[in-house]
Amino acid sequence: GENVEQHPSTLSVQEGDSAVIKCTYSDSASNYFPWYKQELGKGPQLIIDIRSNVGEKKDQRIAVTLNKTAKHFSLHITETQPEDSAVYFCAASGSGGGADGLTFGKGTHLIIQP
Amino acid sequence: SQTIHQWPATLVQPVGSPLSLECTVEGTSNPNLYWYRQAAGRGLQLLFYSVGIGQISSEVPQNLSASRPQDRQFILSSKKLLLSDSGFYLCAWSWQDNQPQHFGDGTRLSIL
Repeated sequence: GENVEQHPSTLSVQEGDSAVIKCTYSDSASNYFPWYKQELGKGPQLIIDIRSNVGEKKDQRIAVTLNKTAKHFSLHITETQPEDSAVYFCAASGSGGGADGLTFGKGTHLIIQP
Repeated sequence: SQTIHQWPATLVQPVGSPLSLECTVEGTSNPNLYWYRQAAGRGLQLLFYSVGIGQISSEVPQNLSASRPQDRQFILSSKKLLLSDSGFYLCAWSWQDNQPQHFGDGTRLSIL
């Protein structure tokens, strides 16, 4: 089955700087890669996603890049703000499609230092 | 717009007691529904998913079961809880396979 590795587990950046979180996946047939933000005591919220036919996608301060050859994808947050502090999860869909769920990374705790 | 509700938000149960967690979705029909468990410091583990009423697939052997008695209702159950069942349980829905999944706010279950 699919295996997703996420790094780093904790990331501390100064407010206003950029943050980058990286994930690798094992199943070359995976074709859907969402990113979620989870605040304390809440469920994960989808913040951006990308499909395998696209190399990059951007939404304001957030961008995701995908390298299918290397089987890795990354989340980029620019001009970080205190409200960006949260746990971020990457995920990949299995080759069998989404009905068997997403395989998640173990999460990155992003801390924005004022 | 679509909304997903889970309850209760927190639950403390003794070992050996039964469990019933409920999840409902509004604003959509025939969604895919999912139950995940999240352990501290770990990602989300898929427990069950359903593509329709009465259709349940289990991803891991466990002490829990799931049912979908109505189109937009998904229930997680156990006859006898174990200490290892403690965790944060999340319900999610999606339009169909390989589409974004949207999560509820979860139930924190503590077993004493």
